[in-house]
Parts: sequence; C-alpha cells; structure tokens
Amino acid sequence: KNEVEQSPQNLTAQEGEFITINCSYSVGISALHWLQQHPGGGIVSLFMLSSGKKKHGRLIATINIQEKHSSLHITASHPRDSAVYICAVGGGSNYKLTFGKGTLLTVNP
Amino acid sequence: ETGVTQTPRHLVMGMTNKKSLKCEQHLGHNAMYWYKQSAKKPLELMFVYNFKEQTENNSVPSRFSPECPNSSHLFLHLHTLQPEDSALYLCATRGSGRGNEQFFGPGTRLTVL
Repeated sequence: KNEVEQSPQNLTAQEGEFITINCSYSVGISALHWLQQHPGGGIVSLFMLSSGKKKHGRLIATINIQEKHSSLHITASHPRDSAVYICAVGGGSNYKLTFGKGTLLTVNP
Repeated sequence: ETGVTQTPRHLVMGMTNKKSLKCEQHLGHNAMYWYKQSAKKPLELMFVYNFKEQTENNSVPSRFSPECPNSSHLFLHLHTLQPEDSALYLCATRGSGRGNEQFFGPGTRLTVL
C-alpha cells in the first residue's frame, strides 16, 4: 500500500509570497496528481505528472521519481489561492488514487 | 465546472432511512468512482466501475450499495447508516482520452443523525 505524506499540514502566507507544498510517497507510481479543494467540497485537478515539471499560470509542479517526491509551487500568491491542496498518487489496473491528507493554505491580503 | 454533477448537494438522514446519492456525467468517460472524505482524514476510495461493471470494492460495508445502470449515471444507495458515516461523498470519472486524469463532482455532504 502506498503511503502519501504531505507537508506542511497548514500554511499561512501573505499575499505575494512564494508558496511550496511538498508530497512524498513510498511505492512506485504511474502518475502523481495535485488537486485543489475549495470550501464547499468541489475538487479540481491542477496537475497530473509522471516526470519533470509542469507549469500552469502561477502554479508549478515538479516530480522526482527517484526520490519519490513532488512539490507544488505557487508564485505571487493571492487570497483566492486559499484552499486545501491535495497530493494523490495513482496506479494499478483500475488506476486507483491514494491521497495525502491535504495542506490547508490561507493567503492573507 | 468539471462536467460531473452530483445530487443532492446536502443530505440529512436518520439511521433507519433509505436514501440514494446520484452522480451524472456526459463526458463519455468509462470509469466512475465513489470516494468518501471524512473530517481530518484523506479521501478514501469506495468503489470503481469500468464500463458499468464494478471492478473494485474497497471493503465497504454492505449498508452502502452502488449501482451503475448506464455509462452516464452512478448511484450510491444508503440504508441503515451510522453517524460515523457522515462525510462528503465524491464521485469522479476517468476517460482514456486524457490519460488518467480524474474529474470530480462537487460532492454530497451527508449527515447521519
């Protein structure tokens, strides 16, 4: 069973700061996902990556397969970035996801 | 808007009630998932359906009964639930066209009294 650890659990930042959220997993995977969950519950997929780096706007995700580690970076953070960010790793015949506990990010104006 | 809808968005039920959660997608995806998100715990997989066939039951108690009548709809039938079953229940779909990306519905917030 894959263990997914995220850090930090909670993160408070001032608007404009550079944010990093980390994710480590224990077993080899097909892909790693970064998800965003706003209050109210809905989950949006931000990135799915199996190697290297991806960028979308102010968000950057990196993964190191050898070290079984991924990071999500947010540049020039904004209060609307406040949400729970969830790391999940996927694999297997049904492509099952195993989730981390999430990181609650609060960006203050 | 992910293209996956869930109804109802909120549900309060007693332990003797029978209710159903509904998930609908018109994305043409073949795989559909039920997840449970309890307070302060990671999301947990409950069931997986591929091409309307159940392919995964993650040791879910029988008081939760899934049904997939067609490729667009997934139900979760609930009966004689316990207060500890109170949680956010999320549906997700996955299609082969975009690799293994999953698209989540908004969830149903369930409270069992």
